[in-house]
Amino acid sequence: DVKVTQSSRYLVKRTGEKVFLECVQDMDHENMFWYRQDPGLGLRLIYFSYDVKMKEKGDIPEGYSVSREKKERFSLILESASTNQTSMYLCASNPGGPPYEQYFGPGTRLTVT
Amino acid sequence: AQSVAQPEDQVNVAEGNPLTVKCTYSVSGNPYLFWYVQYPNRGLQFLLKYITGDNLVKGSYGFEAEFNKSQTSFHLKKPSALVSDSALYFCAVRVTPYGNNRLAFGKGNQVVVIP
Repeated sequence: DVKVTQSSRYLVKRTGEKVFLECVQDMDHENMFWYRQDPGLGLRLIYFSYDVKMKEKGDIPEGYSVSREKKERFSLILESASTNQTSMYLCASNPGGPPYEQYFGPGTRLTVT
Repeated sequence: AQSVAQPEDQVNVAEGNPLTVKCTYSVSGNPYLFWYVQYPNRGLQFLLKYITGDNLVKGSYGFEAEFNKSQTSFHLKKPSALVSDSALYFCAVRVTPYGNNRLAFGKGNQVVVIP
């Protein structure tokens, strides 16, 4: 089975802090994705990566950056956390070809105070 | 732009009754469609997908979905709902033709199965 793990299930940070969210997948997938999930808004794509050191902006990249130095690891960085970044963050991965579905990690619930 | 819509925020159904969660899509070309389920404080779990072939797709936990091209719909169904089916359900569509398999998700439907 595909396994996608995220470094923390719950995280509390202060406004202005730099925050790192880590995601690791164990199936040698080319593609990795970061989403945020908010009630009534569904999942919104922040960034994705289709290869090591390659990244593309999603729908809501402002205030975030990413890093992919190794194929299995994709990090989301909040350069200066703000209260409006309080959310559930979900990481996902899939291969470059079929099967086309994405496999998700358990999520990190981030609270910025 | 490729997108999906889930018109209902919440679906309430009595245990043992049929469950339907609605999804409509807007794509150019042939759609690749997916359903996911999310239990409280968990990530999304893949249920089923339609890529091509038979319009009735069977998936995990007794769920199935019917692809209807003329109505641009991909509704999720279960003949007899269980209390344990209470969860958040997301419909999604692939938005890029090749390679990175990016998905666009609907806003989600909360399903409440009443004992």
